[in-house]
Amino acid sequence: GAVVSQHPSWVICKSGTSVKIECRSLDFQATTMFWYRQFPKQSLMLMATSNEGSKATYEQGVEKDKFLINHASLTLSTLTVTSAHPEDSSFYICSAKGLAGGINPDTQYFGPGTRLTVL
Amino acid sequence: QQQVKQSPQSLIVQKGGISIINCAYENTAFDYFPWYQQFPGKGPALLIAIRPDVSEKKEGRFTISFNKSAKQFSLHIMDSQPGDSATYFCAAKVSNSGYALNFGKGTSLLVTP
Repeated sequence: GAVVSQHPSWVICKSGTSVKIECRSLDFQATTMFWYRQFPKQSLMLMATSNEGSKATYEQGVEKDKFLINHASLTLSTLTVTSAHPEDSSFYICSAKGLAGGINPDTQYFGPGTRLTVL
Repeated sequence: QQQVKQSPQSLIVQKGGISIINCAYENTAFDYFPWYQQFPGKGPALLIAIRPDVSEKKEGRFTISFNKSAKQFSLHIMDSQPGDSATYFCAAKVSNSGYALNFGKGTSLLVTP
């Protein structure tokens, strides 16, 4: 149980285009979803926290107009990188926590990540 | 400010040996301490977690030791195997809160045959 999926697993796009990444909790309802960015050989950097039906809370230094987060349902959150540039190339990982039978409400379950390359 | 400090940054252990990774935290409100394992190109996977009411938790070859007074916790991997080669992250948070985990910087473990 507690599986989180991400789509796509990798994406290559041209500079100036927008890219949408989906994060789904497959077998539990995610009350909170988190989006992280990870550079090679570095730790996970929290970008934003989103609760279903409300606006995301962005970490300091993260441009909310560039990284649009929508958490429209208890099983789906999306991250849209708008007008992507090469410096946005990174590994983006979502995680979710929720309330359900057998789920530890404090545990964050991570998706497999999305590798974004902006040319 | 790094709320969870992790060491060492990298570790090389021979097959069959014990791998030890240490973490320290400052916020005394933290009461949930998980460890995650991450393979290259994959998302982190929960390995084991502990709460302050116990000093040790063991799951298979993985053991967390927790020292509340010192605000430190560590991961021990017994009988380390080449398949354990990965990056390990410790984390901490206040339980039952909406806050995200605070991660350490990670330890790259290489287990040699």
